[in-house]
Amino acid sequence: DGGITQSPKYLFRKEGQNVTLSCEQNLNHDAMYWYRQDPGQGLRLIYYSQIVNDFQKGDIAEGYSVSREKKESFPLTVTSAQKNPTAFYLCASMPGGVYGYTFGSGTRLTVV
Amino acid sequence: GQNIDQPTEMTATEGAIVQINCTYQTSGFNGLFWYQQHAGEAPTFLSYNVLDGLEEKGRFSSFLSRSKGYSYLLLKELQMKDSASYLCAVMNRDDKIIFGKGTRLHILP
Repeated sequence: DGGITQSPKYLFRKEGQNVTLSCEQNLNHDAMYWYRQDPGQGLRLIYYSQIVNDFQKGDIAEGYSVSREKKESFPLTVTSAQKNPTAFYLCASMPGGVYGYTFGSGTRLTVV
Repeated sequence: GQNIDQPTEMTATEGAIVQINCTYQTSGFNGLFWYQQHAGEAPTFLSYNVLDGLEEKGRFSSFLSRSKGYSYLLLKELQMKDSASYLCAVMNRDDKIIFGKGTRLHILP
């Protein structure tokens, strides 16, 4: 079955450590996105990529980095520069044109 | 700026009808989405409107008025499983999707 796989589902890290969240899709979608969701808040866009080897900053890119070396993969690194990294992170993809997002199941990151 | 407003919480009774409103101000408009999100889970796509009018899909309908920057999601014959957050989202002229903060819907038996 086609879909988006995010791993791990839960992640704990110590303050000051970088951590990479995985996002893989087998839907052959061109565009991929990373969002962050905090309690009582909407989804906020971190980074997005519309084609391989190209990506753009979203509204809250500071403290994060991404790569898009393959169409299927769009990993997100949360660096030590991110002041409040504890959140629910969602990866999404969308085919060309205007359709709804397909979301992964999310990664809940807790920094202690 | 870009802004999407929707009520924070709503409560309705099983079997009833509820309407969740959404107003938006964005840089351009390429469509409006509604998503359902159960606690701790990813959002799932409910509907997409790009032209004015009503789109019906089973128990759920979504309405759009572009001139008023307004949409609503109508849920009929409410079931307990409809207890969730409902997210209104707009795609702007740069093809970026901007989300509202969501409306948490509580269904009472």
